Amino acid sequence: GAGVSQSPSNKVTEKGKDVELRCDPISGHTALYWYRQSLGQGLEFLIYFQGNSAPDKSGLPSDRFSAERTGGSVSTLTIQRTQQEDSAVYLCASSLGAGVGETQYFGPGTRLLVL
Amino acid sequence: QQQVKQSPQSLIVQKGGISIINCAYENTAFDYFPWYQQFPGKGPALLIAIRPDVSEKKEGRFTISFNKSAKQFSLHIMDSQPGDSATYFCAASMRGYSTLTFGKGTMLLVSP
Repeated sequence: GAGVSQSPSNKVTEKGKDVELRCDPISGHTALYWYRQSLGQGLEFLIYFQGNSAPDKSGLPSDRFSAERTGGSVSTLTIQRTQQEDSAVYLCASSLGAGVGETQYFGPGTRLLVL
Repeated sequence: QQQVKQSPQSLIVQKGGISIINCAYENTAFDYFPWYQQFPGKGPALLIAIRPDVSEKKEGRFTISFNKSAKQFSLHIMDSQPGDSATYFCAASMRGYSTLTFGKGTMLLVSP
């Protein structure tokens, strides 16, 4: 079956512009996660959705970052006024439920480069 | 504050050898410890996971060893193959939470 998909796969933008990154989770998965992967820094948690609600936004690095999820499915991560330090791979993952031990399935990521 | 420390940063192993990657944590509220494997250009994929009530879990050539008192866990890859060349991440999640805290990753190269 289809896995987690993300678009665009690559995005180059100029400093100060806004960008939107999209995630399509596996059908039926109620939990959705956004992570950021910077070179040599591992994966950094950004935000978690259960359905359309975001019980944990603790990882968002600044108020320039926001995310929403609609219809319990697609999610969009928006970065306003991008900065060069926002350059990274943004990964989305989904899981069937939100219990501890639920396997998170990752998409291929969106590679963001801010010039 | 890095809550899960992973070492080494990179590792080169000969084909047929044993690859060992180590992780350590401080937060005793962690109670789920997965390992993820990531190939270039792909997202991470779950490889194997363990709960703290067992000291070892084996799946094929992959084994997790868990030392609760030392707050350490490790991944052992037996009979390492060139196809195992990838970046490996350890992770942990806290009791009652599903979000994962990841280590910084280990880039493994298995030479033919």
